[in-house]
Amino acid sequence: AQSVTQLDSHVSVSEGTPVLLRCNYSSSYSPSLFWYVQHPNKGLQLLLKYTSAATLVKGINGFEAEFKKSETSFHLTKPSAHMSDAAEYFCVVSPKGSARQLTFGSGTQLTVLP
Amino acid sequence: SAVISQKPSRDICQRGTSLTIQCQVDSQVTMMFWYRQQPGQSLTLIATANQGSEATYESGFVIDKFPISRPNLTFSTLTVSNMSPEDSSIYLCSVEDARTSTDTQYFGPGTRLTVL
Repeated sequence: AQSVTQLDSHVSVSEGTPVLLRCNYSSSYSPSLFWYVQHPNKGLQLLLKYTSAATLVKGINGFEAEFKKSETSFHLTKPSAHMSDAAEYFCVVSPKGSARQLTFGSGTQLTVLP
Repeated sequence: SAVISQKPSRDICQRGTSLTIQCQVDSQVTMMFWYRQQPGQSLTLIATANQGSEATYESGFVIDKFPISRPNLTFSTLTVSNMSPEDSSIYLCSVEDARTSTDTQYFGPGTRLTVL
């Protein structure tokens, strides 16, 4: 069994300040973990994924996430927010090596203030 | 990664009618999936579209309501039948491309459906 908890439904930051979107997971096996972003009226775009190589994963648009097994966390960060980062972000878990059983978090809406 | 397109991008339909959504991929892929995203919600898997055989449906979804076809390795359709306002959602297809990765799904742009 697996589950994902996104700890904040809404996060608001000022442009140029750091972004932190929190995600905790539960899995009875070694997981793969993903962050997807959904801009308004768009589909989901893969930001980054962790599949057991380096625990610090770098993604597109300056985002990165760190896999912490001891804390069962996979938080998404970015040093400096841009207005274009405003979107919905989903943390996702699946069994390692298989994309066929994705479990989605409830999503975090990121607002970037000017 | 594969490039995925969906048609229509959005539609407004009357109660009791049906809508067929198309998903086209620019390359052959092993797996195709259909998801529903209800307003303000996360994504829920409807079914896995199997090439040449019946789709595999998740709990709570049935073939009579959501018939799916997958005639080849690049194309699939999802029909939302006998629609009601509760079917108003975004419907997304996704693919797993075994050539590049067996553990990642890539999503289409979605079809935004409103049922009146």
